[in-house]
Amino acid sequence: GAGVSQSPSNKVTEKGKDVELRCDPISGHTALYWYRQSLGQGLEFLIYFQGNSAPDKSGLPSDRFSAERTGGSVSTLTIQRTQQEDSAVYLCASSPVGTGGGGYTFGSGTRLTVV
Amino acid sequence: QKEVEQDPGPLSVPEGAIVSLNCTYSNSAFQYFMWYRQYSRKGPELLMYTYSSGNKEDGRFTAQVDKSSKYISLFIRDSQPSDSATYLCAIQYSGAGSYQLTFGKGTKLSVIP
Repeated sequence: GAGVSQSPSNKVTEKGKDVELRCDPISGHTALYWYRQSLGQGLEFLIYFQGNSAPDKSGLPSDRFSAERTGGSVSTLTIQRTQQEDSAVYLCASSPVGTGGGGYTFGSGTRLTVV
Repeated sequence: QKEVEQDPGPLSVPEGAIVSLNCTYSNSAFQYFMWYRQYSRKGPELLMYTYSSGNKEDGRFTAQVDKSSKYISLFIRDSQPSDSATYLCAIQYSGAGSYQLTFGKGTKLSVIP
């Protein structure tokens, strides 16, 4: 596609429910990243996928968070038993292999509100 | 101590002014430096990318890195209302296998016509 596509753009959920956030990266980009942007905070790294390699999960804040990437393309970030502190904008980025931050393209994000 | 510090502002300037945005960092292993611009309800977009000390220019934008002081800056000349956005500095470790970035909190800029 022309850019990184994220869905839904907005999600309101009740505390304790599970949510799934989707990211469709740019075609041909082998690297995919999830970041979280909370109010008044910078972007916080969550997880990184590169090709068929084991993902770097070092940024996931708790075991309620998980992510998968199917077929080296679309990725889903799942948050189980959501808490109010999970409210944030979840941003996905993709890049060609080896370009790092200089080659990131971000999606517009999913704004998650836990009530 | 947060690894990247950035004054969140907000910063308000008249159209045509020179804008200076700054970040400091604490870890000398940081080697790659970026500035992103983020409009409201949009994802960040890359403005400038550099890995060496000194200045890098691109049109009205100049990125400056001083590794000895662990200080990075973004200058915007002849600022325009369309420059109104949040500006995020981002830094990457040398050799970081996952290319993850460490971001500042962002500075919100308003350019008043």
